[in-house]
Amino acid sequence: EIVLTQSPGTLSLSPGERATLSCRASQSVSSNYLAWYLQKPGQAPRLLIYGASSRATGIPDRFSGSGSGTDFTLTISRLEPEDFAVYYCQHYGGSPVFTFGPGTKVDI
Amino acid sequence: EVQLLESGGGLVQPGGSLRLSCAASGFNFNAYAMSWVRQAPGKGLEWVSGISSASTTYSADSLKGRFTISRDNPKNTVYLQMSSLRAEDTAVYYCASWRGHYFDFWGQGTLVTVSS
Repeated sequence: EIVLTQSPGTLSLSPGERATLSCRASQSVSSNYLAWYLQKPGQAPRLLIYGASSRATGIPDRFSGSGSGTDFTLTISRLEPEDFAVYYCQHYGGSPVFTFGPGTKVDI
Repeated sequence: EVQLLESGGGLVQPGGSLRLSCAASGFNFNAYAMSWVRQAPGKGLEWVSGISSASTTYSADSLKGRFTISRDNPKNTVYLQMSSLRAEDTAVYYCASWRGHYFDFWGQGTLVTVSS
């Protein structure tokens, strides 16, 4: 079973700064099967990125995803106040099996 | 606009049962696979169960035999029947539309609390 590790656990930044979030898989995975979500307090998760680098509908282009193999990155080019939240990566392992990472909190 | 509205959560005693519902609107429900994902208080996300557009069902190995997913296409509704509930099943349960490898739309969730 694939295990996803996200780092850092918490990222303290200011509006306007660049955020780089990491998601590492315990073994090589297809980038087609890697997604990212954002969750604000008290709200449901929202799909940001699928297929490692494709933005979901309505997601601003300040969000970008990249990576392959075991290492994937979510980058927020310039943080807006509404971007301060928890970010989860997720892998689809077939069968189906879905695995989520533990999350990275981006706060001020 | 896609909307997913969960209901049916509440307080239930250990060993009890509960049925969650998720009413969908704003998209062609019949053509979509659907899933349930849960989140224990202060914890991360855990996939629970899924159902294809053809009603083939799937569940997390850790939950098989206790949780059953189903759908009623004429009612645009997906259900999660939960039985033999345990304290560790306490969580917010989210309904989500399942697009193969990811979940593209999510409901606001319904809280299930298992406690005596």
